[in-house]
Amino acid sequence: GQNIDQPTEMTATEGAIVQINCTYQTSGFNGLFWYQQHAGEAPTFLSYNVLDGLEEKGRFSSFLSRSKGYSYLLLKELQMKDSASYLCAVSDSNYQLIWGAGTKLIIKP
Amino acid sequence: GAVVSQHPSWVICKSGTSVKIECRSLDFQATTMFWYRQFPKQSLMLMATSNEGSKATYEQGVEKDKFLINHASLTLSTLTVTSAHPEDSSFYICSAKDLGGGDEETQYFGPGTRLLVL
Repeated sequence: GQNIDQPTEMTATEGAIVQINCTYQTSGFNGLFWYQQHAGEAPTFLSYNVLDGLEEKGRFSSFLSRSKGYSYLLLKELQMKDSASYLCAVSDSNYQLIWGAGTKLIIKP
Repeated sequence: GAVVSQHPSWVICKSGTSVKIECRSLDFQATTMFWYRQFPKQSLMLMATSNEGSKATYEQGVEKDKFLINHASLTLSTLTVTSAHPEDSSFYICSAKDLGGGDEETQYFGPGTRLLVL
């Protein structure tokens, strides 16, 4: 079966760094996405990785290892507004997105 | 770029009525749009894939006759919840792929429509 695993909840301190991990087992792989979803809102696109390595976008970076079926989202200089759920999704062999359950990130002052 | 809108953002209706939700790609063309449903504290659940000019592809367990999807143009898809019941109350979100964008597989989401059936 297809499976995406990510922690249910994480807590971090304002100004710190946090890493949210995602492991996947899917039938085929056509890229991995990270989305941010604030409570009561729709997801917004953060990053897309299809090749191994690190992609950096400002305070957010995303890493992919296809051989390990593993990705992480790294958030630096955390701000209170970063409190949200972070969704990992993998595009499978049919280009269909398989969604993780999301990681709720709580930022404390 | 890659903006998706949904209308309405909120709808409250009586049980047994039908509700139509519109999804528009504002600054790009989308041959494929997706309809998701999200219950509180749960992840997104794909309901159907909407293809312009053809019938939608529904996920297992989603009733085609209850959730009617029309994708009449490259910028508009509609979802009609027919004979809505309280259990249909949920957050409905559409997304679209920007085929002209750099990352063709990226889905961009509309703001969502919150449906409450009384």
